[in-house]
Amino acid sequence: EPEVTQTPSHQVTQMGQEVILRCVPISNHLYFYWYRQILGQKVEFLVSFYNNEISEKSEIFDDQFSVERPDGSNFTLKIRSTKLEDSAMYFCASSDRPGGGTGELFFGEGSRLTVL
Amino acid sequence: DQQVKQNSPSLSVQEGRISILNCDYTNSMFDYFLWYKKYPAEGPTFLISISSIKDKNEDGRFTVFLNKSAKHLSLHIVPSQPGDSAVYFCAATFWGGGNKLTFGTGTQLKVEL
Repeated sequence: EPEVTQTPSHQVTQMGQEVILRCVPISNHLYFYWYRQILGQKVEFLVSFYNNEISEKSEIFDDQFSVERPDGSNFTLKIRSTKLEDSAMYFCASSDRPGGGTGELFFGEGSRLTVL
Repeated sequence: DQQVKQNSPSLSVQEGRISILNCDYTNSMFDYFLWYKKYPAEGPTFLISISSIKDKNEDGRFTVFLNKSAKHLSLHIVPSQPGDSAVYFCAATFWGGGNKLTFGTGTQLKVEL
């Protein structure tokens, strides 16, 4: 069964460092997302991406965050200068249909980011 | 901003009995609701969904009920199995919402032998 894959599974970084989280969405999917879950809290929407541009972003997704689809398979989330509060599990997700469809997203296993 | 609320952080049920997980929402624009299941160290996995034009959707052991007037939905699992032990997230979206899901905080279900 096709799946969304994410790397790294866990990254530890120093505050102020840049981090890139990588995702390979399901191959025929066109809509891509990043969500995050701070420990003990709910899963929160960060950004959606379609046709090589951001469709929507949350207020969490400030100028320190960026997303990119550098080639036909990868979808990356970059945090330019990490803060302690960026420590969370980051989930990539993809979908084969736009908003207003079933809304079913396929999630990856997550990348745990720990900022020290 | 808790537009989707799951007020029970945990639920313990005996194997074979019914599990009922509850979810409330406040945003009247939500018209599509989903349940995701999450095991430790894994991403959320889609379980079942319901559109606001329905009040019930059933898939095998899983049934979701929607009460629009009360802005309440529930997930029923019957019979519950030990493999159902996981965190269950309620999520909501709306037509034109771009697949942006608003999640609840989750309910940890433990099915005991």
